[in-house]
Amino acid sequence: GQQLNQSPQSMFIQEGEDVSMNCTSSSIFNTWLWYKQDPGEGPVLLIALYKAGELTSNGRLTAQFGITRKDSFLNISASIPSDVGIYFCAGHGRSNYQLIWGAGTKLIIKP
Amino acid sequence: NAGVTQTPKFQVLKTGQSMTLQCAQDMNHNSMYWYRQDPGMGLRLIYYSASEGTTDKGEVPNGYNVSRLNKREFSLRLESAAPSQTSVYFCASTKRGDADTQYFGPGTRLTVL
Repeated sequence: GQQLNQSPQSMFIQEGEDVSMNCTSSSIFNTWLWYKQDPGEGPVLLIALYKAGELTSNGRLTAQFGITRKDSFLNISASIPSDVGIYFCAGHGRSNYQLIWGAGTKLIIKP
Repeated sequence: NAGVTQTPKFQVLKTGQSMTLQCAQDMNHNSMYWYRQDPGMGLRLIYYSASEGTTDKGEVPNGYNVSRLNKREFSLRLESAAPSQTSVYFCASTKRGDADTQYFGPGTRLTVL
């Protein structure tokens, strides 16, 4: 079945640093989504991408839909303490109702 | 608006016991979903309901049943709990025409001994 490989699994960074994470697939996705999960809560949608090559920003977050349609990247600039959490990529599965999820990238900010 | 609510927040079961996880949304959304989240595995879809009156299997439906009681409520039942069902369970909903923006509840942490 379709799978999304997300890397890195976790990141330890200093406040103020920029962060990059990515998601790859062996098959083509028509939509790439980036969600964030705060500790003890459900995920929340950050950015949605619908076209190959698309670059979209949401505040300090920027995401790109890869040209091959098999990958996507999320960058966070100038990280702050509230950025901690788990970031998930997701894309549509067999139907529009089914999302396939990456395993997540856990962001930890060093004190 | 409470959004998506789930009960209970925590539950411990013994192997073989049954229980029902409750989910309700007050956003008038058409579609609802049940996921499980296990460490290092992301979210996996158990069942979903595209609209009131319909339910469909997701990626990992074995050992679970669901009921879409009405437009607001979607419950998940474990008939005979197994340790492999220890997980965090999330309910989500989406409005018609926007399956990408899933609104999640706070989750139920289930342990099966």
